[in-house]
Amino acid sequence: SAVISQKPSRDICQRGTSLTIQCQVDSQVTMMFWYRQQPGQSLTLIATANQGSEATYESGFVIDKFPISRPNLTFSTLTVSNMSPEDSSIYLCSVAGPSYEQYFGPGTRLTVT
Amino acid sequence: GENVEQHPSTLSVQEGDSAVIKCTYSDSASNYFPWYKQELGKRPQLIIDIRSNVGEKKDQRIAVTLNKTAKHFSLHITETQPEDSAVYFCAASRAAGNKLTFGGGTRVLVKP
Repeated sequence: SAVISQKPSRDICQRGTSLTIQCQVDSQVTMMFWYRQQPGQSLTLIATANQGSEATYESGFVIDKFPISRPNLTFSTLTVSNMSPEDSSIYLCSVAGPSYEQYFGPGTRLTVT
Repeated sequence: GENVEQHPSTLSVQEGDSAVIKCTYSDSASNYFPWYKQELGKRPQLIIDIRSNVGEKKDQRIAVTLNKTAKHFSLHITETQPEDSAVYFCAASRAAGNKLTFGGGTRVLVKP
């Protein structure tokens, strides 16, 4: 399976600021996704990162709050904008493998104070 | 949209016993059903998956069954070991590689 890395692994941020999370894959992948996992909860899809076009957002998530870039087939970023304590979560990117199974990056643990 | 329900939310078993986790889904067009294991502080790891053209799949001590008519699928872990202790998530999607909808998770504790 692909090797997926995320930066940063964790961060503590002040409310009102923004944080950009990077996801890097060691091979070209068609499908990349961003998920959120709130403390003790399941995973919720934020958006599908489309290469060369705007991301596709799920209900409850908007581009102004979670802008996403996908400049090529190995890299994507998710920005959490104008953060509040409710944004404290683990943010995970995932990629679809050659048989379309999904693999997750190690996650970014975000704490907003 | 798709809704996936998972039961039980917690499961405690004695080492060596079997564990069963059940999920139901709402979208009859879903045709791919993976299971993930997440240890504390780690990323979710894909442990087994099943596609809708298959009724059962096994991999050593784990197996998954799918009943498309009833829209439910289950994870079976036999001969449980302490290292099986983790949170397990089921998920569903309309196509492999497409967006996943996750169940609420099951915290499994295997007691030595």
